[in-house]
Amino acid sequence: QLVLTQSPSASASLGASVKLTCTLSSGYSSYAIAWLQQQPEKGPRYLMKVNNDGSHSKGDGIPDRFSGSSSGAERYVTISSLQSEDEADYYCQTWGTGVVFGGGTKLTVL
Amino acid sequence: EVQLLESGGGLVQPGGSLRLSCAASGFTFSNYAMNWVRQSPGKGLEWVSTINNSGSSTYYADSVKGRFTLSRDNSKNTLYLQMNSLRAEDTAVYYCAKVEVRGAVLASLDYWGQGTLVTVSS
Repeated sequence: QLVLTQSPSASASLGASVKLTCTLSSGYSSYAIAWLQQQPEKGPRYLMKVNNDGSHSKGDGIPDRFSGSSSGAERYVTISSLQSEDEADYYCQTWGTGVVFGGGTKLTVL
Repeated sequence: EVQLLESGGGLVQPGGSLRLSCAASGFTFSNYAMNWVRQSPGKGLEWVSTINNSGSSTYYADSVKGRFTLSRDNSKNTLYLQMNSLRAEDTAVYYCAKVEVRGAVLASLDYWGQGTLVTVSS
Protein backbone atom coordinates (compact mmCIF):
# COMPACT_ATOMS: atom_id res chain seq x y z
CA GLN A 1 0.00 0.00 0.00
CA LEU A 2 1.27 3.44 -0.98
CA VAL A 3 1.83 5.44 2.20
CA LEU A 4 3.79 8.63 2.91
CA THR A 5 5.29 9.09 6.37
CA GLN A 6 6.32 12.45 7.85
CA SER A 7 7.48 13.49 11.30
CA PRO A 8 4.70 15.44 13.05
CA SER A 9 6.89 18.37 14.03
CA ALA A 10 10.20 20.13 13.41
CA SER A 11 11.79 23.33 14.61
CA ALA A 12 14.72 25.52 13.67
CA SER A 13 15.97 29.00 14.41
CA LEU A 14 15.37 32.12 12.38
CA GLY A 15 18.04 32.35 9.68
CA ALA A 16 19.06 28.69 10.00
CA SER A 17 18.29 25.78 7.66
CA VAL A 18 15.96 22.84 8.11
CA LYS A 19 15.47 19.62 6.15
CA LEU A 20 12.07 17.94 6.21
CA THR A 21 11.63 14.29 5.27
CA CYS A 22 8.89 12.32 3.53
CA THR A 23 9.29 8.53 3.36
CA LEU A 24 7.62 6.33 0.76
CA SER A 25 6.39 2.93 1.83
CA SER A 26 8.20 -0.24 0.84
CA GLY A 27 7.99 -1.04 -2.85
CA TYR A 28 7.34 2.54 -3.91
CA SER A 29 10.82 4.04 -3.68
CA SER A 30 10.80 5.09 -7.35
CA TYR A 31 7.80 7.39 -6.96
CA ALA A 32 7.99 11.15 -7.27
CA ILE A 33 6.35 13.33 -4.67
CA ALA A 34 5.25 16.93 -4.38
CA TRP A 35 5.83 19.24 -1.41
CA LEU A 36 3.08 21.58 -0.27
CA GLN A 37 3.19 24.41 2.26
CA GLN A 38 0.13 25.44 4.24
CA GLN A 39 0.40 28.62 6.26
CA PRO A 40 -2.15 29.18 9.04
CA GLU A 41 -5.69 29.74 7.80
CA LYS A 42 -4.66 29.43 4.14
CA GLY A 43 -5.01 26.88 1.38
CA PRO A 44 -2.03 24.70 0.47
CA ARG A 45 0.64 26.11 -1.82
CA TYR A 46 2.66 23.93 -4.19
CA LEU A 47 6.40 24.18 -3.55
CA MET A 48 7.98 21.60 -5.84
CA LYS A 49 8.01 18.13 -7.31
CA VAL A 50 10.90 15.86 -6.28
CA ASN A 51 11.81 12.87 -8.44
CA ASN A 52 13.53 9.69 -7.27
CA ASP A 53 16.81 10.81 -8.82
CA GLY A 54 16.75 13.95 -6.69
CA SER A 55 15.88 16.32 -9.50
CA HIS A 56 13.20 18.79 -8.62
CA SER A 57 11.05 21.44 -10.30
CA LYS A 58 9.65 24.31 -8.28
CA GLY A 59 6.32 26.03 -8.54
CA ASP A 60 5.75 29.58 -9.65
CA GLY A 61 7.34 32.16 -7.40
CA ILE A 62 8.94 29.73 -4.98
CA PRO A 63 12.13 31.33 -3.59
CA ASP A 64 15.57 29.83 -4.13
CA ARG A 65 15.71 29.18 -0.38
CA PHE A 66 13.59 26.08 -1.02
CA SER A 67 15.25 23.05 -2.59
CA GLY A 68 14.47 19.38 -2.99
CA SER A 69 16.49 16.17 -2.91
CA SER A 70 16.08 12.42 -2.65
CA SER A 71 17.75 9.33 -1.21
CA GLY A 72 16.27 5.90 -1.64
CA ALA A 73 12.68 6.02 -0.44
CA GLU A 74 13.15 9.40 1.23
CA ARG A 75 12.28 12.73 -0.32
CA TYR A 76 13.39 15.98 1.23
CA VAL A 77 12.71 19.67 1.18
CA THR A 78 15.40 21.94 2.57
CA ILE A 79 14.56 25.48 3.59
CA SER A 80 17.55 27.76 4.10
CA SER A 81 17.74 31.21 5.69
CA LEU A 82 14.54 30.49 7.60
CA GLN A 83 12.08 33.35 7.85
CA SER A 84 9.11 33.77 10.15
CA GLU A 85 6.69 33.23 7.28
CA ASP A 86 8.13 29.74 6.75
CA GLU A 87 6.36 28.64 9.93
CA ALA A 88 3.69 26.42 8.45
CA ASP A 89 2.53 22.88 7.91
CA TYR A 90 4.36 20.99 5.18
CA TYR A 91 2.75 18.07 3.36
CA CYS A 92 4.08 15.64 0.83
CA GLN A 93 1.80 14.25 -1.86
CA THR A 94 2.08 11.44 -4.37
CA TRP A 95 -0.21 9.47 -6.63
CA GLY A 96 -0.91 5.86 -7.48
CA THR A 97 -4.44 4.52 -7.79
CA GLY A 98 -5.49 7.77 -6.15
CA VAL A 99 -3.88 10.78 -4.54
CA VAL A 100 -2.00 10.19 -1.29
CA PHE A 101 -0.88 12.71 1.32
CA GLY A 102 1.55 12.42 4.17
CA GLY A 103 0.36 13.36 7.62
CA GLY A 104 2.18 16.69 7.54
CA THR A 105 5.03 18.26 9.49
CA LYS A 106 4.42 21.36 11.56
CA LEU A 107 7.48 23.59 11.28
CA THR A 108 8.15 26.05 14.08
CA VAL A 109 10.61 28.88 13.49
CA LEU A 110 12.25 29.78 16.79
CA GLU B 1 -2.62 33.97 -13.15
CA VAL B 2 -4.26 30.68 -12.21
CA GLN B 3 -7.20 31.13 -9.85
CA LEU B 4 -9.51 28.57 -8.28
CA LEU B 5 -12.51 29.85 -6.36
CA GLU B 6 -14.64 27.44 -4.38
CA SER B 7 -18.21 28.15 -3.27
CA GLY B 8 -21.28 26.39 -1.98
CA GLY B 9 -20.18 25.42 1.50
CA GLY B 10 -22.35 25.88 4.56
CA LEU B 11 -24.19 24.20 7.40
CA VAL B 12 -26.22 21.10 6.54
CA GLN B 13 -27.97 18.49 8.65
CA PRO B 14 -26.82 14.88 8.70
CA GLY B 15 -28.30 13.05 5.73
CA GLY B 16 -28.59 16.25 3.75
CA SER B 17 -27.05 17.33 0.46
CA LEU B 18 -24.83 20.14 -0.76
CA ARG B 19 -23.23 21.05 -4.08
CA LEU B 20 -19.82 22.66 -4.18
CA SER B 21 -18.51 24.61 -7.15
CA CYS B 22 -15.00 25.59 -8.18
CA ALA B 23 -14.62 28.36 -10.76
CA ALA B 24 -11.30 28.18 -12.60
CA SER B 25 -9.45 30.87 -14.54
CA GLY B 26 -6.00 31.64 -15.87
CA PHE B 27 -5.44 28.31 -17.66
CA THR B 28 -7.11 26.12 -20.28
CA PHE B 29 -9.46 24.28 -17.94
CA SER B 30 -10.39 21.55 -20.43
CA ASN B 31 -6.76 20.38 -20.65
CA TYR B 32 -6.34 19.43 -16.99
CA ALA B 33 -7.71 16.89 -14.55
CA MET B 34 -9.08 18.37 -11.33
CA ASN B 35 -9.42 17.22 -7.75
CA TRP B 36 -11.27 17.86 -4.52
CA VAL B 37 -9.27 17.53 -1.31
CA ARG B 38 -10.66 18.09 2.17
CA GLN B 39 -9.25 18.97 5.57
CA SER B 40 -11.15 18.30 8.78
CA PRO B 41 -10.62 20.82 11.59
CA GLY B 42 -7.11 20.49 12.97
CA LYS B 43 -6.32 17.52 10.72
CA GLY B 44 -4.30 16.80 7.59
CA LEU B 45 -5.23 16.72 3.92
CA GLU B 46 -7.48 13.95 2.60
CA TRP B 47 -8.03 13.26 -1.09
CA VAL B 48 -11.73 13.09 -2.02
CA SER B 49 -12.08 12.74 -5.78
CA THR B 50 -10.46 13.24 -9.20
CA ILE B 51 -11.97 13.85 -12.63
CA ASN B 52 -10.08 13.66 -15.90
CA ASN B 53 -9.89 16.60 -18.29
CA SER B 54 -12.87 15.58 -20.43
CA GLY B 55 -15.06 14.53 -17.52
CA SER B 56 -15.39 10.96 -18.79
CA SER B 57 -13.61 9.34 -15.84
CA THR B 58 -13.93 9.91 -12.12
CA TYR B 59 -12.21 8.42 -9.09
CA TYR B 60 -13.30 8.52 -5.46
CA ALA B 61 -11.90 7.83 -2.02
CA ASP B 62 -13.62 4.89 -0.34
CA SER B 63 -14.94 7.23 2.35
CA VAL B 64 -17.16 9.08 -0.14
CA LYS B 65 -17.80 6.49 -2.85
CA GLY B 66 -21.50 6.14 -3.61
CA ARG B 67 -22.37 9.40 -1.83
CA PHE B 68 -20.38 12.07 -3.71
CA THR B 69 -20.42 12.76 -7.45
CA LEU B 70 -17.77 14.81 -9.24
CA SER B 71 -18.49 16.52 -12.53
CA ARG B 72 -17.25 19.41 -14.63
CA ASP B 73 -18.55 21.84 -17.24
CA ASN B 74 -15.65 22.75 -19.51
CA SER B 75 -17.75 25.40 -21.28
CA LYS B 76 -18.10 27.22 -17.95
CA ASN B 77 -14.62 26.40 -16.56
CA THR B 78 -16.31 25.03 -13.47
CA LEU B 79 -15.91 21.93 -11.32
CA TYR B 80 -18.74 20.55 -9.19
CA LEU B 81 -18.97 18.20 -6.23
CA GLN B 82 -22.45 16.90 -5.42
CA MET B 83 -22.45 15.61 -1.85
CA ASN B 84 -25.37 13.47 -0.67
CA SER B 85 -26.08 11.54 2.54
CA LEU B 86 -23.74 13.81 4.43
CA ARG B 87 -22.30 12.67 7.75
CA ALA B 88 -20.69 14.50 10.65
CA GLU B 89 -17.32 13.13 9.57
CA ASP B 90 -17.66 14.97 6.24
CA THR B 91 -17.23 18.26 8.12
CA ALA B 92 -14.16 19.88 6.59
CA VAL B 93 -12.77 22.64 4.44
CA TYR B 94 -13.02 21.46 0.84
CA TYR B 95 -10.34 22.55 -1.62
CA CYS B 96 -10.29 22.18 -5.37
CA ALA B 97 -6.86 21.57 -6.87
CA LYS B 98 -5.47 21.42 -10.39
CA VAL B 99 -3.28 18.59 -11.67
CA GLU B 100 0.11 19.85 -12.80
CA VAL B 101 0.53 17.79 -15.95
CA ARG B 102 -1.62 18.45 -18.99
CA GLY B 103 -3.57 15.33 -19.93
CA ALA B 104 -2.53 13.32 -16.88
CA VAL B 105 -5.21 12.04 -14.54
CA LEU B 106 -3.08 11.67 -11.43
CA ALA B 107 -0.04 13.84 -10.77
CA SER B 108 1.19 16.55 -8.45
CA LEU B 109 -1.36 19.22 -7.55
CA ASP B 110 0.10 22.58 -8.45
CA TYR B 111 -2.68 25.09 -7.78
CA TRP B 112 -5.20 25.17 -4.96
CA GLY B 113 -8.15 27.30 -4.05
CA GLN B 114 -8.73 28.88 -0.65
CA GLY B 115 -11.38 26.35 0.28
CA THR B 116 -15.03 26.32 1.34
CA LEU B 117 -16.19 25.09 4.74
CA VAL B 118 -18.80 22.36 4.98
CA THR B 119 -20.29 21.73 8.41
CA VAL B 120 -22.55 18.73 8.93
CA SER B 121 -24.44 19.09 12.18
CA SER B 122 -27.94 18.99 13.59
